Amino acid sequence: DTAVSQTPKYLVTQMGNDKSIKCEQNLGHDTMYWYKQDSKKFLKIMFSYNNKELIINETVPNRFSPKSPDKAHLNLHINSLELGDSAVYFCASSQEGSNQPQHFGDGTRLSIL
Amino acid sequence: SQQGEEDPQALSIQEGENATMNCSYKTSINNLQWYRQNSGRGLVHLILIRSNEREKHSGRLRVTLDTSKKSSSLLITASRAADTASYFCATRGTYKYIFGTGTRLKVLA
Repeated sequence: DTAVSQTPKYLVTQMGNDKSIKCEQNLGHDTMYWYKQDSKKFLKIMFSYNNKELIINETVPNRFSPKSPDKAHLNLHINSLELGDSAVYFCASSQEGSNQPQHFGDGTRLSIL
Repeated sequence: SQQGEEDPQALSIQEGENATMNCSYKTSINNLQWYRQNSGRGLVHLILIRSNEREKHSGRLRVTLDTSKKSSSLLITASRAADTASYFCATRGTYKYIFGTGTRLKVLA
């Protein structure tokens, strides 16, 4: 029944490593997003895909690369992890259109040692 | 710069009381949405108000929108301990959502 699911829920890794976070939605939505929430709970959009095409690419280091194999999946790969990448990363999805609510996953808590 | 800013940053009330939180934003919007985030969980959509609407109700929630002042308020009536969470406003501009900084609400039983 899970609508938007992310894996893993927790990710603890060393600086300099490469890691991936996976996201899947079973709501039939056309648009998916990645957000970063920092320690002060500020939530900032990173990327948005609509029908597998990138439509939003905020000022994010190019170490972050999203990939959408199909419209139900949006994965996030991060190269050369840095201490400042420690945060909670949320995946979300919505129907296409501006007056649509977003549905969020429960987040991936990334800690860089 | 950050679009939405909630006020107050933190609010502590007794069960049964009403809770009011405010959101201010800077640019024109298509709609404004309120979300709730329980500790350790993702955001859950509560209510959406379009730019041509002034007030909207959903159960114990009442949202107002004043586009001339670029502000919105969320009222939770007869609060319950289960309402303890962070509440965020999100504004939708041309192509993306921008979230505020959140209000942490604590409802004491």
